[in-house]
Amino acid sequence: DIVMTQGALPNPVPSGESASITCQSSKSLLYSDGKTYLNWYLQRPGQSPQLLIYWMSTRASGVSDRFSGSGSGTDFTLKISRVEAEDVGVYYCQQFLEFPLTFGSGTKLEIK
Amino acid sequence: EVQLQQYGAELGKPGTSVKLSCKVSGYNIRSTYMHWVNQRPGKGLEWIGRIDPANGNTIYAEKFKSKATLTADTSSNTAYMQLSQLKSDDTAIYFCAMQWTIAAMFAYWGQGTLVTVSS
Repeated sequence: DIVMTQGALPNPVPSGESASITCQSSKSLLYSDGKTYLNWYLQRPGQSPQLLIYWMSTRASGVSDRFSGSGSGTDFTLKISRVEAEDVGVYYCQQFLEFPLTFGSGTKLEIK
Repeated sequence: EVQLQQYGAELGKPGTSVKLSCKVSGYNIRSTYMHWVNQRPGKGLEWIGRIDPANGNTIYAEKFKSKATLTADTSSNTAYMQLSQLKSDDTAIYFCAMQWTIAAMFAYWGQGTLVTVSS
């Protein structure tokens, strides 16, 4: 199985500052079609997860441009610019390259 | 607007089964893959498996192969997951999630069903 490892944030993050969340996969997620099969989700408190970023760097419909995804085949970063109160929650990376699909353990974002 | 409707809570006794539903509106599930994910109290997300409603083909995570059974009814646009031989550590929120067949992400999620296993 592909293991997804997420880093922690130095919480709380001051409102208006930037935050970067890291995720590392145990296998390259770059496929022969040129796409990298790495997604990011946000789970706000008491809610179901919502899609933020897919194919490593493509924002989902309706997602603020304050969110951006980048990376290589195995190392990925979700950057949140100018964090706001509504960004609070747990962020998960997910690999969609092969079954079983796997998630990182989650990174909690708190705002000051 | 695409919506995935799940019931809020189910109670099951140890050793019994529960069947969860996920009714999709706004999109034909024949053009999707329907996934199920769980989240134990205070923990992260865990993928259980996927069904192709068009043909009933399923793929499961190894640890759920004898625990979960995924089915779908295209006439009612609903996906189902049956959990068998319930134990206390099956207590969790179970989410359904929709993947378009041409994409590789969970575009939509249900609100989740909290399954509590208790005698």
